[in-house]
Amino acid sequence: KAGVTQTPRYLIKTRGQQVTLSCSPISGHRSVSWYQQTPGQGLQFLFEYFSETQRNKGNFPGRFSGRQFSNSRSEMNVSTLELGDSALYLCASSLGAGGLTYEQYFGPGTRLTVT
Amino acid sequence: KNEVEQSPQNLTAQEGEFITINCSYSVGISALHWLQQHPGGGIVSLFMLSSGKKKHGRLIATINIQEKHSSLHITASHPRDSAVYICAVNFGNEKLTFGTGTRLTIIP
Repeated sequence: KAGVTQTPRYLIKTRGQQVTLSCSPISGHRSVSWYQQTPGQGLQFLFEYFSETQRNKGNFPGRFSGRQFSNSRSEMNVSTLELGDSALYLCASSLGAGGLTYEQYFGPGTRLTVT
Repeated sequence: KNEVEQSPQNLTAQEGEFITINCSYSVGISALHWLQQHPGGGIVSLFMLSSGKKKHGRLIATINIQEKHSSLHITASHPRDSAVYICAVNFGNEKLTFGTGTRLTIIP
């Protein structure tokens, strides 16, 4: 079975631009969660989607948004990029709803640099 | 406040040593995850626990619900075990809260 894939793997953007990251979960997984990892704040939960519905959201501004498609693939969007948005963005998929009580399978991440 | 604390922050050991990494949390939980992150960023889920003990190869994870504490043990450590180990907790609000991680270096 193929693992979780994320595209692109690396991205450089300028302040003020917007960016869209993509995550394809393991086949059969219906929950996708997104995380941000920075040297200063560590790993932080962004949001979780299950069956095209956002189930939970972390403490991030409205510039961070996401969606999930009927095939469980998910995208996250960050608008009006700030320097502080430079981070490794990870997605993880799992089998069930309330996905965080199921084992999480992580993708390789997208490293975003904002200049 | 839902908090997760890990110790130690950094750990260097000789190959073959027995390793223990600790995780404490502030309130009752639904589940606790141990994750491994290698240089380059990829994260692997090692264990998910809600009670008791789990073992996989040389790795053992335990959790004491009453004491709000979990440990990750590595027996017969090897240089390939060098990584950052992260404890993550679901406090029942379906959001994972992460510890700051333990950077483990095993010297041959």
